[in-house]
Amino acid sequence: KNEVEQSPQNLTAQEGEFITINCSYSVGISALHWLQQHPGGGIVSLFMLSSGKKKHGRLIATINIQEKHSSLHITASHPRDSAVYICAVRSYSGGGADGLTFGKGTHLIIQP
Amino acid sequence: SQTIHQWPATLVQPVGSPLSLECTVEGTSNPNLYWYRQAAGRGLQLLFYSVGIGQISSEVPQNLSASRPQDRQFILSSKKLLLSDSGFYLCAWTGTGFYGYTFGSGTRLTVV
Repeated sequence: KNEVEQSPQNLTAQEGEFITINCSYSVGISALHWLQQHPGGGIVSLFMLSSGKKKHGRLIATINIQEKHSSLHITASHPRDSAVYICAVRSYSGGGADGLTFGKGTHLIIQP
Repeated sequence: SQTIHQWPATLVQPVGSPLSLECTVEGTSNPNLYWYRQAAGRGLQLLFYSVGIGQISSEVPQNLSASRPQDRQFILSSKKLLLSDSGFYLCAWTGTGFYGYTFGSGTRLTVV
């Protein structure tokens, strides 16, 4: 079973700061997801990646397969970025529809 | 475009009462469907997944069951709720092949 660790668990920063959230996992994966959960609970998929780097607006996600590590970066952070960010991995399986293994999330607060 | 509907959004139920949460997907056929639960202070946990009508796999033994009576309908049920069933329940789907996950808006269940 894959173990997914996120750091930090909680992060408070000032508007405009560069934010980094880290995720590490224990077993080889076929894909890694970064998810955003707002206070109401709804979850939005931000990125799905299996190698390299992806960018969407002010969000950047990177993954290092050899080191089993991924980072999510937010540039020019804004209070509306305040949310819980969740890392989830999809492990290789021998068959069937395997789901995701989730980290516990990073609670980010951006203060104006 | 594909959409996923989940209801109800919130639910307060007494211990021992039955439960039925419903999830439907539009705009796709033969999706892989998932039920996840997020207990307070914990990460998301896969409960059930389904690759087709009537095909249900359980990841965690518990007081809950799932059914898929139609291709795009996934139901989470319980005959008698326990206090420990309280949590945030999320339905999700993926397409055949290797696609990102799309999550429903979730149901916050409180068992009292």
